[in-house]
Amino acid sequence: KQEVTQIPAALSVPEGENLVLNCSFTDSAIYNLQWFRQDPGKGLTSLLLIQSSQREQTSGRLNASLDKSSGRSTLYIAASQPGDSATYLCAVQMNTGFQKLVFGTGTRLLVSP
Amino acid sequence: GAVVSQHPSRVICKSGTSVKIECRSLDFQATTMFWYRQFPKKSLMLMATSNEGSKATYEQGVEKDKFLINHASLTLSTLTVTSAHPEDSSFYICSAIRDRGTGELFFGEGSRLTVL
Repeated sequence: KQEVTQIPAALSVPEGENLVLNCSFTDSAIYNLQWFRQDPGKGLTSLLLIQSSQREQTSGRLNASLDKSSGRSTLYIAASQPGDSATYLCAVQMNTGFQKLVFGTGTRLLVSP
Repeated sequence: GAVVSQHPSRVICKSGTSVKIECRSLDFQATTMFWYRQFPKKSLMLMATSNEGSKATYEQGVEKDKFLINHASLTLSTLTVTSAHPEDSSFYICSAIRDRGTGELFFGEGSRLTVL
């Protein structure tokens, strides 16, 4: 059974810092890995999608890497801003069945001005 | 961009009543949609996979008679919480796959159910 873990569970940083969020998964037979952002009481916003054959994806100040063999992904946020405060979820999409997503435990990020 | 719409965003009901939540893909057809449940400060737990024109596939431990899922068209899936009880109070989120090739999918805004 696929298990996805995120470290740290919570992170508080001052504005301007670069930061790294970690995600690990137990089964490397994945279709892709996705990072999402969730604001309190809201749905999910897709940030980055990395196919299993890819090593990284970049969008603006965000960079996500994937090491499928070791079961790890990192989300790098450069020059953090208060607007980045949210919960960040990684999810792996399985190779089998209906391509369902298995979500990680989440990292709650607070960026203070 | 692709949009998935959920309705209602908030619903309060009395214990014992049934509540229906709709999930619509607005600008693409979705043969597969997923329903998730989220408890406060917790991650998303997959409840079931909804397939257009066939029965939903439920995850282990999810009562199919409690959470009825219907995917009658390529743009609409519904989740009905039957005979709701306070422990069913939660945040329910749907998602739809737009591109099976890449696995790209989009999420609705979620529906907060409160059962009194």
